[in-house]
Amino acid sequence: GAGVSQTPSNKVTEKGKYVELRCDPISGHTALYWYRQSLGQGPEFLIYFQGTGAADDSGLPNDRFFAVRPEGSVSTLKIQRTERGDSAVYLCASSSGGAGQDTQYFGPGTRLTVL
Amino acid sequence: AQSVTQLDSQVPVFEEAPVELRCNYSSSVSVYLFWYVQYPNQGLQLLLKYLSGSTLVKGINGFEAEFNKSQTSFHLRKPSVHISDTAEYFCAVRYSSASKIIFGSGTRLSIRP
Repeated sequence: GAGVSQTPSNKVTEKGKYVELRCDPISGHTALYWYRQSLGQGPEFLIYFQGTGAADDSGLPNDRFFAVRPEGSVSTLKIQRTERGDSAVYLCASSSGGAGQDTQYFGPGTRLTVL
Repeated sequence: AQSVTQLDSQVPVFEEAPVELRCNYSSSVSVYLFWYVQYPNQGLQLLLKYLSGSTLVKGINGFEAEFNKSQTSFHLRKPSVHISDTAEYFCAVRYSSASKIIFGSGTRLSIRP
């Protein structure tokens, strides 16, 4: 079956602009996660959705970052007033449930470059 | 603080040689442990995971890892590597009370012919 998909695969924007990154999880997965991977580092947690609600948003770095999942499937990560330091690969993952033993399946990521 | 340490940022080995990638995590009562692999220009793929039970876990592509609670380690091993194993390997931990996975900084495995 289809895995997690993310669009766009690459996004180049200018400092100060607004961007949206989309994630399509595996069908039927109730849990969805966003991570950010900077160059030379491991992924860092941003936010976790269980269904439509954000169950844990402790990883969002500041109020310029926001994510939604209005129908409990597709999610959009929104970044306002982008800064050069936001440049990274943004990864989305989904799992069948939110329990610790549930495997998270990752998408290919969106590479965001802020000029 | 919850953390994962991968002691080696790069590990070069010759083809068909054995390899061990080291991983240590900060202690906790209950953890789940994972190794993910990221091939060039691809997404993260789960290699193996430890949830409970036997401390020796076998994964895909001939990899295995051993959970050592007293040393808070989860080292990844393969007895004989192939060129196709060239990739970045990430150790990760999930504390049972938390939703997020905490990743190490990664180890780049490069295979020499």
